[in-house]
Amino acid sequence: AQSVTQPDIHITVSEGASLELRCNYSYGATPYLFWYVQSPGQGLQLLLKYFSGDTLVQGIKGFEAEFKRSQSSFNLRKPSVHWSDAAEYFCAVGPLNTGNQFYFGTGTSLTVIP
Amino acid sequence: NAGVTQTPKFRVLKTGQSMTLLCAQDMNHEYMYWYRQDPGMGLRLIHYSVGEGTTAKGEVPDGYNVSRLKKQNFLLGLESAAPSQTSVYFCASRRAGSLTMNTEAFFGQGTRLTVV
Repeated sequence: AQSVTQPDIHITVSEGASLELRCNYSYGATPYLFWYVQSPGQGLQLLLKYFSGDTLVQGIKGFEAEFKRSQSSFNLRKPSVHWSDAAEYFCAVGPLNTGNQFYFGTGTSLTVIP
Repeated sequence: NAGVTQTPKFRVLKTGQSMTLLCAQDMNHEYMYWYRQDPGMGLRLIHYSVGEGTTAKGEVPDGYNVSRLKKQNFLLGLESAAPSQTSVYFCASRRAGSLTMNTEAFFGQGTRLTVV
């Protein structure tokens, strides 16, 4: 069965520091992988996605993620965090069957301190 | 362009009461989804629909019913609310087709439901 694991429930970083959020997946074939961000009181916004090809994917707001098949990982990175990046981040995998629904990880909450 | 709109945004129910959550999208999307979000659990799929008049069960369908009578609307019903259904509910929609066709999912802002 497919699954997504985000091992870090909560991360705190200083503004201007680099960031890496971890995501591991379990899937029988090459997965389609996504990172979403949820700001407080808001819905989910797509940051970036990976389907195939270049394993380093660029997204919005200066984020990038690298697909590593050997490690079953799709970690999200940002070289310099801004206070506005404080949010909940979700990794997701899909599609899997009719309806092509996504399966989400449990999320990582990011706090940015001045 | 409103995107995906959920109604209501907040609601408090007593155990045993019923209610319907409405999701409306104006992007002519074929696929629509209902998720619930609970602390430490991420988003879990309740039901989904691949077109008008069709619905299917997701990961956690028990206690919920859905209907897709119009393409733009996807309703989530709770016939007899229970405290375990206290959660934040998200609706999403996207175009039909495989995800390689750049069919991003768009989410509503959520409905916070408390059952007391």
